[in-house]
Amino acid sequence: NAGVTQTPKFQVLKTGQSMTLQCAQDMNHNSMYWYRQDPGMGLRLIYYSASEGTTDKGEVPNGYNVSRLNKREFSLRLESAAPSQTSVYFCASSPSRDTQYFGPGTRLTVL
Amino acid sequence: AQSVTQLDSQVPVFEEAPVELRCNYSSSVSVYLFWYVQYPNQGLQLLLKYLSGSTLVKGINGFEAEFNKSQTSFHLRKPSVHISDTAEYFCAGGQNFVFGPGTRLSVLP
Repeated sequence: NAGVTQTPKFQVLKTGQSMTLQCAQDMNHNSMYWYRQDPGMGLRLIYYSASEGTTDKGEVPNGYNVSRLNKREFSLRLESAAPSQTSVYFCASSPSRDTQYFGPGTRLTVL
Repeated sequence: AQSVTQLDSQVPVFEEAPVELRCNYSSSVSVYLFWYVQYPNQGLQLLLKYLSGSTLVKGINGFEAEFNKSQTSFHLRKPSVHISDTAEYFCAGGQNFVFGPGTRLSVLP
């Protein structure tokens, strides 16, 4: 049982480049989430998906897009990366409004 | 707006001493409350949660927390800490999982 997996683990981009962060869960959870973690700021919600086919903005959605490809997969896309998007990105899933399960994170640096 | 506050950014404590990490939530946060732990270079793990029922919640690794509605608090406690408890601790609440800024617990030998 892999839980929540994220790829890649590390990524370095130049300003203006695009990339997609992948997330998959094998726990048959309905809800999935993308957070960014910055020092002293805890985790801030970027986007979430309450169920397959639906997505909603969180606290800091600007500069990001998401796709809930199916029940298992929820990807986060940066169309034109900026240095302010340097962060650690975490994906999470939950069966309902109860307990999130987190992936190991992706450390992104934008130069 | 929903918010979760952790008043202490860093808490140093000696091994085998008790510790309390403080968390307060805004009244607009629905009363689902959580504590997560993050060890260096890892994701977050659930320590404990309060959904309803008894206000004293016991979690893993000897941690417990008490939900106090009148003080809008959900403080985390452990009677005797170990070196291995050194980590960052996050309080979270609400149906959309609003997170506090975190408290770095450092256990000193």
